[in-house]
Amino acid sequence: DADVTQTPRNRITKTGKRIMLECSQTKGHDRMYWYRQDPGLGLRLIYYSFDVKDINKGEISDGYSVSRQAQAKFSLSLESAIPNQTALYFCATSDPGWPYGYTFGSGTRLTVV
Amino acid sequence: AQTVTQSQPEMSVQEAETVTLSCTYDTSESDYYLFWYKQPPSRQMILVIRQEAYKQQNATENRFSVNFQKAAKSFSLKISDSQLGDAAMYFCALTTSGTYKYIFGTGTRLKVLA
Repeated sequence: DADVTQTPRNRITKTGKRIMLECSQTKGHDRMYWYRQDPGLGLRLIYYSFDVKDINKGEISDGYSVSRQAQAKFSLSLESAIPNQTALYFCATSDPGWPYGYTFGSGTRLTVV
Repeated sequence: AQTVTQSQPEMSVQEAETVTLSCTYDTSESDYYLFWYKQPPSRQMILVIRQEAYKQQNATENRFSVNFQKAAKSFSLKISDSQLGDAAMYFCALTTSGTYKYIFGTGTRLKVLA
């Protein structure tokens, strides 16, 4: 099994719908992240969590929320999806010590129509 | 603020040839790491190589090597003997001491021509 698993792999949803992207990891790490990838923009941080009770906004958190259900699970929700949230979403976990080496999931490609 | 710039949106290389992907960065920190990640069509982000700022010796991993020019804040990736499997999007990334966050460049799409 992969160290970081994201579901679904691909999703098409309609404008205004609520959608949840799920992520689970088997690395046993406390730190987890959600990034968004857009063409020409690279990866940008949406939210990050240092442990179950410590959740923080990244640089582009508007329109998103997260839930850390357990050390291993970190979900990203779009409360009311809009077309400009069409992107590739990555979950990652990081090693406990600097440089906090990342392990990424295989991404969720979300299309909002 | 830290920034990472990849000025080549797309590059092409003939199979078996050598190609260099460019990356420049900016940070006021003295302790940092730089990375190159490969993203093939499978979308998986794969760490190719990393370089610690304090190490003068350029990192190498098989056919992949970097040219780390600290004063110029340049971190280029050289791929030797290019193979069809090297075709991918390549991202340069930076993290600085004590932070959790990676700053990514915009990526360079590498095409390998048979």
